[in-house]
Amino acid sequence: KQEVTQIPAALSVPEGENLVLNCSFTDSAIYNLQWFRQDPGKGLTSLLLIQSSQREQTSGRLNASLDKSSGRSTLYIAASQPGDSATYLCAVGKAAGNKLTFGGGTRVLVKP
Amino acid sequence: NAGVMQNPRHLVRRRGQEARLRCSPMKGHSHVYWYRQLPEEGLKFMVYLQKENIIDESGMPKERFSAEFPKEGPSILRIQQVVRGDSAAYFCASSPQLSGDDGYTFGSGTRLTVV
Repeated sequence: KQEVTQIPAALSVPEGENLVLNCSFTDSAIYNLQWFRQDPGKGLTSLLLIQSSQREQTSGRLNASLDKSSGRSTLYIAASQPGDSATYLCAVGKAAGNKLTFGGGTRVLVKP
Repeated sequence: NAGVMQNPRHLVRRRGQEARLRCSPMKGHSHVYWYRQLPEEGLKFMVYLQKENIIDESGMPKERFSAEFPKEGPSILRIQQVVRGDSAAYFCASSPQLSGDDGYTFGSGTRLTVV
């Protein structure tokens, strides 16, 4: 059974600092891994999708890496801004069209 | 493309009533997934449907919960005789047929409150 863990559960940084969010999973036989952002009381916004054959994906200030063999993914957010404050969720899919298994999330606060 | 549409956004039900949650997938998506997020907890998979078929319902509670995705119209998650513990945010996601290459797109969720 796949288990996904996100550490830390909460993170507070001053504006401008880089953010490093960790995600680990127990079963390395994944199809893809997706990072989401969730604002309080809102839905999920997809940030980055990494296929199992890929090592990383980048979008603007966001970069996500994937090390399937060690069961880890890291989301980097460069030069954080107060608007980056949200909960960040990682989720892994076992096969195409299959369900996602979510981590518990990292709640981020970027202080001005 | 309107994205994944869920309604209602907020739903209040008294204990014992029925709750019906609707989800219209993105245009061109034929796979629908329902997830539940209990207060202060992560998202948990409930059920995966294709048109007129339930593919995986391993996350659905055995009683009172049902889901359908008819040939025409939205997917419906139905909760009968609701209890306080059903209060949660229910999210629907959709993906294209036979591919996770584009990832999953989530709706804004329905927040169910049972009073």
